[in-house]
Amino acid sequence: NAGVTQTPKFRILKIGQSMTLQCTQDMNHNYMYWYRQDPGMGLKLIYYSVGAGITDKGEVPNGYNVSRSTTEDFPLRLELAAPSQTSVYFCATRGATNQPQHFGDGTRLSIL
Amino acid sequence: GNSVTQMEGPVTLSEEAFLTINCTYTATGYPSLFWYVQYPGEGLQLLLKATKADDKGSNKGFEATYRKETTSFHLEKGSVQVSDSAVYFCALSSFGNEKLTFGTGTRLTIIP
Repeated sequence: NAGVTQTPKFRILKIGQSMTLQCTQDMNHNYMYWYRQDPGMGLKLIYYSVGAGITDKGEVPNGYNVSRSTTEDFPLRLELAAPSQTSVYFCATRGATNQPQHFGDGTRLSIL
Repeated sequence: GNSVTQMEGPVTLSEEAFLTINCTYTATGYPSLFWYVQYPGEGLQLLLKATKADDKGSNKGFEATYRKETTSFHLEKGSVQVSDSAVYFCALSSFGNEKLTFGTGTRLTIIP
């Protein structure tokens, strides 16, 4: 029972490089979310999706892109990485309305 | 809009002490309320939840009661252990809102 799987777990990027953070779920949840958590801080919503083919911006979308071609996958793309994007990124899913979100283990990203 | 106000940390207690972490909320309608826990280096895990007024959520010795009259959902535990050291997040979701509203988190450290 994998739940929410994020890859990679750790990554170091150079300024200006790009990468894709992967998120896959096996719970058949329609809702998926991307958050970032800076050291010692709470979570900020980057993007979310209410179903395949539908995405919307959260609080801090600048510098990121997402796509949702299937129910299972919700990749987050970083273009032109900047040091301000150094953070831990969490993917989460949710089933029905007012149900809890389920989180992956996170991707720790450093941009140097 | 929805908001969650959570007790500021950090909180340091001795083992076997009584714990209270305060959480109050503002929301339209009848939100569902959650407590999440984040252990060092890990993602968020659902600790407990309550979906309607006067419900009590409980798990691992932790409890929280949904108080609509005081718009509160305080987390309590009668006797904390070193293994309870973590960051605790209060959160809510409301019908028709796809997003989860988080508090800022409370870092709890239990000393032997």
